[in-house]
Amino acid sequence: GENVGLHLPTLSVQEGDNSIINCAYSNSASDYFIWYKQESGKGPQFIIDIRSNMDKRQGQRVTVLLNKTVKHLSLQIAATQPGDSAVYFCAENIAKRDDKIIFGKGTRLHILP
Amino acid sequence: GAVVSQHPSWVICKSGTSVKIECRSLDFQATTMFWYRQFPKQSLMLMATSNEGSKATYEQGVEKDKFLINHASLTLSTLTVTSAHPEDSSFYICRPTGTSGYEQYFGPGTRLTVT
Repeated sequence: GENVGLHLPTLSVQEGDNSIINCAYSNSASDYFIWYKQESGKGPQFIIDIRSNMDKRQGQRVTVLLNKTVKHLSLQIAATQPGDSAVYFCAENIAKRDDKIIFGKGTRLHILP
Repeated sequence: GAVVSQHPSWVICKSGTSVKIECRSLDFQATTMFWYRQFPKQSLMLMATSNEGSKATYEQGVEKDKFLINHASLTLSTLTVTSAHPEDSSFYICRPTGTSGYEQYFGPGTRLTVT
């Protein structure tokens, strides 16, 4: 069935270092993936997305890598800042089927001063 | 990005009462609305999907008679939690989608506390 999971529930990173948040998905039919950032008491905020015909996509300070062979997704945040502290979710979608977005469990990113 | 609002942002109600949560897409037409709920320290779980003018489709385990969804217009959808109980206390979040390419955006959420 559809299941998007994360390897680490909590990640602590020194301010200024790079962060890497990992995600595993189980549905090989998924062809669209999104990373969201959620701050306490707020709705998820779109960070970056990637389609299955790509293996890497870069944004501002963020990079998403997709490895379809092992069904693995990662989010890299460069030069982590205090404002990056949040819970990060990966989510998947089968674009050719519908617009449903299914969320993984989430990783809390904690920035150390 | 897309502008999505929810009202109220938080609500406290007594057990047994009903609560209505509104979701508005302010700058695009939402042909489909997804409603999620999120319990503390957990992920978002999809509750139901509604298309404008049609009945909602509920995910497995979600009671359709308890969570009434109305999607009567392209800019407004409502979720009514009927006969609320403390276990319904959660963070409810909407996600409107249309043809504008804003499918990735969510509402700010509504915190429901049932006492």
